[in-house]
Amino acid sequence: KAGVTQTPRYLIKTRGQQVTLSCSPISGHRSVSWYQQTPGQGLQFLFEYFSETQRNKGNFPGRFSGRQFSNSRSEMNVSTLELGDSALYLCASSLDGQGGGYTFGSGTRLTVV
Amino acid sequence: GIQVEQSPPDLILQEGANSTLRCNFSDSVNNLQWFHQNPWGQLINLFYIPSGTKQNGRLSATTVATERYSLLYISSSQTTDSGVYFCAVWDDYKLSFGAGTTVTVRA
Repeated sequence: KAGVTQTPRYLIKTRGQQVTLSCSPISGHRSVSWYQQTPGQGLQFLFEYFSETQRNKGNFPGRFSGRQFSNSRSEMNVSTLELGDSALYLCASSLDGQGGGYTFGSGTRLTVV
Repeated sequence: GIQVEQSPPDLILQEGANSTLRCNFSDSVNNLQWFHQNPWGQLINLFYIPSGTKQNGRLSATTVATERYSLLYISSSQTTDSGVYFCAVWDDYKLSFGAGTTVTVRA
């Protein structure tokens, strides 16, 4: 079966712009979580969506938002980009987001200049 | 939240060598996963192992939940084993990751 698909793979944006990243989970998985990976902070939880609802949110500013569609695909949006938002953004899907096995996508590498 | 510590931070191996990576966590968990991050950034599932021992080819893992640690064994290492290995535990509603062990296997 197809894995978790993230698009685009690479992105370069300018400070102040906004960006939208996409994640298509494994078929049948209803939970999608987003993580940010930076050299300084490691892997940090952004938020989790289940059945089109944000169930949990990490400690990130309101510039980071997301949504989930009825087919479980999820998008993440970052507005007013800052240099510090440069990171690898990883999406993970699971059946129910209750601690079972997670599968990650290949990530979107965002560079803010 | 649960603290996850991995050791060693870096490991350099000669091809064919064996190694052990360790993951300590600060509280009881009911989910622990090991991942390998390849050079392109993807986190590849290695094991879902909340307790017990599992083996997959040259890799095996053991979690002793009562003592709050997990071990990942790499035997007969190959250059393709290079990359960063992460341990992650389920922490309420998210995965909490360790800082990773960077493994370099030299031919």
